[in-house]
Amino acid sequence: DAGVTQSPTHLIKTRGQQVTLRCSPKSGHDTVSWYQQALGQGPQFIFQYYEEEERQRGNFPDRFSGHQFPNYSSELNVNALLLGDSALYLCASSFFPGQSSGNTIYFGEGSWLTVV
Amino acid sequence: AQTVTQSQPEMSVQEAETVTLSCTYDTSENNYYLFWYKQPPSRQMILVIRQEAYKQQNATENRFSVNFQKAAKSFSLKISDSQLGDTAMYFCAFMKHVGGSSNTGKLIFGQGTTLQVKP
Repeated sequence: DAGVTQSPTHLIKTRGQQVTLRCSPKSGHDTVSWYQQALGQGPQFIFQYYEEEERQRGNFPDRFSGHQFPNYSSELNVNALLLGDSALYLCASSFFPGQSSGNTIYFGEGSWLTVV
Repeated sequence: AQTVTQSQPEMSVQEAETVTLSCTYDTSENNYYLFWYKQPPSRQMILVIRQEAYKQQNATENRFSVNFQKAAKSFSLKISDSQLGDTAMYFCAFMKHVGGSSNTGKLIFGQGTTLQVKP
């Protein structure tokens, strides 16, 4: 049973560029959430996707956008990269909130983004 | 808004000893979940233990147990018989309930406590 998988593992981008990170949820899960974790800090919720729609959003600017595909996989896009966007981006999957088993969240190993 | 505070940035413990990590939170909600996650150097966030706020009994998972004090909004993690593999960053996290057994699926994390287990 495959867990949550993310790609790429590491990447380096230049200020002003755009980046796309990818996530495949754990088998059977239909909800994907994205978190940003700066070095030495706790993860911060970016947004959550279910049925190909953004369902919740944290306090992040519109430069952060996402998408969910019919197979439940998801992408996180960040435009106009800033140095402060350098962080570990974690993908988390679960069943959609509202289902009895929806309170177990599984994380991927993350994508390290460095903006120079 | 909910907040989670971990006041111990770093802790160390000798192998086989017991250590307690502290966590406090602030919320006006009555129904919620609390979690402890472990993040080793590999960076993958691993669920250690979960507590439902409506349950008075403290959760336990093998060597890991919690002391949940709802009135005090405190949620500490006790690790017994510490092992070298327990070395990691530990995060306390909160999740709001939306009714029944469901939840919002949004975790609010504390700042983390780095735990080093020494041989």
